[in-house]
Amino acid sequence: EAQVTQNPRYLITVTGKKLTVTCSQNMNHEYMSWYRQDPGLGLRQIYYSMNVEVTDKGDVPEGYKVSRKEKRNFPLILESPSPNQTSLYFCASSPPRDAYTDTQYFGPGTRLTVL
Amino acid sequence: KQEVTQIPAALSVPEGENLVLNCSFTDSAIYNLQWFRQDPGKGLTSLLLIQSSQREQTSGRLNASLDKSSGRSTLYIAASQPGDSATYLCAAGTNDYKLSFGAGTTVTVRA
Repeated sequence: EAQVTQNPRYLITVTGKKLTVTCSQNMNHEYMSWYRQDPGLGLRQIYYSMNVEVTDKGDVPEGYKVSRKEKRNFPLILESPSPNQTSLYFCASSPPRDAYTDTQYFGPGTRLTVL
Repeated sequence: KQEVTQIPAALSVPEGENLVLNCSFTDSAIYNLQWFRQDPGKGLTSLLLIQSSQREQTSGRLNASLDKSSGRSTLYIAASQPGDSATYLCAAGTNDYKLSFGAGTTVTVRA
């Protein structure tokens, strides 16, 4: 089944404790992206990657890091989490522009709480 | 910077009524316009995608229109059902895959 998976789905942590949220897709997509969703603000892009070893900042990259060593994986790293990073996080991937569809496929989300 | 607005933020209708959800965007230079559905605790599911050269897309009871010049898109859901209760998000897409999302409209269909 074509899908985007994220782990963990739920995480409660404390300020300053480094964490990684994993994202993996099995559709051989080149493009992957991370979003955060906060009440009343919609989804905002954190980082994106056009291909392996190619990453770039989105609209709200501060406090986050990413890496893209393999096409299927795109982990999100919070080196020193703070309470303002409490949010719902989504990973997404997209087929190339010449594919039959342009839509992005989203993972199920990771709800992060930083105390 | 693209700004996407969805009004109203919440909507409650009786079963069977048609739904009209509005989305506006500030920059008309979009590549596509997408509508997503989000259920509580779940990810986003793509409903309809309208390319910038198209005026509308239809899927079953859903119809989405796009007016680039006025910066508007509308999602119509015919004969609403309780299972249509969810949050609906619109997103304006650029040719480099970037999506700018609205905050969503939360729909409740009362049985």
